[in-house]
Amino acid sequence: RKEVEQDPGPFNVPEGATVAFNCTYSNSASQSFFWYRQDCRKEPKLLMSVYSSGNEDGRFTAQLNRASQYISLLIRDSKLSDSATYLCVVTRRGFKTIFGAGTRLFVKA
Amino acid sequence: GAVVSQHPSWVICKSGTSVKIECRSLDFQATTMFWYRQFPKQSLMLMATSNEGSKATYEQGVEKDKFLINHASLTLSTLTVTSAHPEDSSFYICSASLQGSYEQYFGPGTRLTVT
Repeated sequence: RKEVEQDPGPFNVPEGATVAFNCTYSNSASQSFFWYRQDCRKEPKLLMSVYSSGNEDGRFTAQLNRASQYISLLIRDSKLSDSATYLCVVTRRGFKTIFGAGTRLFVKA
Repeated sequence: GAVVSQHPSWVICKSGTSVKIECRSLDFQATTMFWYRQFPKQSLMLMATSNEGSKATYEQGVEKDKFLINHASLTLSTLTVTSAHPEDSSFYICSASLQGSYEQYFGPGTRLTVT
């Protein structure tokens, strides 16, 4: 079993839709959690950090449930430019960083 | 802020030669830098963690004598792929962290093709 698991998708949604991604992690010692976005053949870019209290940035909301070892990302009012692969990232003590395989999102006009 | 550059952005080399990739933090000092490799349609795989002034910590399965990492200053880390083979062809990405933070900022990556 992978340490960080994501539904690979792809998610095909129309513009304006709300879409949710889930991620689970297996190591309870994990300390920090992030969502990154990666466009085709480009480097990942930090989208947002994830906290137990929830974190919202515009149309994006991230949530962490430590008890269930579950992370979510909600995108509201999807735009064409949101099409990308979304990576769930978990960091353990000592900077050990694990990337999920990513969830692909296609937003259609 | 938090800009990371990589050079070269792409390189083609012959089998058996060595290739050096540079990673620079442009507007901050990075005590820790990371090197990743990504094969097509796969996730990023951490190769090694590099701390300024000390030896890199390699992940299991990554040969330290083949992938030489040097982190000589707070703004520069280099990865040298020695005696490259076609199976080393991949997208190599570095990242850097601000001191005290787990957030990583990625360089644009280097696409290596070994013929």
